[in-house]
Amino acid sequence: ILNVEQSPQSLHVQEGDSTNFTCSFPSSNFYALHWYRWETAKSPEALFVMTLNGDEKKKGRISATLNTKEGYSYLYIKGSQPEDSATYLCAFCGVDYGQNFVFGPGTRLSVLP
Amino acid sequence: ETGVTQSPTHLIKTRGQQVTLRCSSQSGHNTVSWYQQALGQGPQFIFQYYREEENGRGNFPPRFSGLQFPNYSSELNVNALELDDSALYLCASSLASGSQVSYNEQFFGPGTRLTVL
Repeated sequence: ILNVEQSPQSLHVQEGDSTNFTCSFPSSNFYALHWYRWETAKSPEALFVMTLNGDEKKKGRISATLNTKEGYSYLYIKGSQPEDSATYLCAFCGVDYGQNFVFGPGTRLSVLP
Repeated sequence: ETGVTQSPTHLIKTRGQQVTLRCSSQSGHNTVSWYQQALGQGPQFIFQYYREEENGRGNFPPRFSGLQFPNYSSELNVNALELDDSALYLCASSLASGSQVSYNEQFFGPGTRLTVL
């Protein structure tokens, strides 16, 4: 059974704090990792598609790194704002799993003003 | 550019019934994936369609079936509904140049909330 884990499960931070969360996935047969942000009552929104070991991607105050050898990706948010409050999901795709994206359970972030 | 839309928004069915959920892809996209999201869990992959052909399937029984139409819109059909089928069903579209679509960004619809009583 393929397991994709995310930690922490939930997080409360103050506005202006920087924060990060982790996505762990199998280190063998890596193909791609996607990060999504899912705000309440909206559709999941793609943040990053990461494919190469050592990838670093950035979009505004949000960035992500990828380590396929050890099987983890970090998502960083610098200077959190209330509008960053959402569930952040990662989805792993492995060579042996075809088109099967395996999602983690998500990290729920609440940014308090 | 039109985003991904799904219908209906909410649906209530009883055990044993059949249901059809619909998804319109983002304009220009040729691939649609369907996901089931139960409360407290991440979305689970049901199947994917690329250019009207099934292009991957998750661990769901055959009573979950789908179609993709020439305009790349898609349907998810579930027969013999069970209580555990109650969930949010999401579809996502993407543009792929080949059948391996994992590198491509997916655009999600708002989902259909299915309740089975």
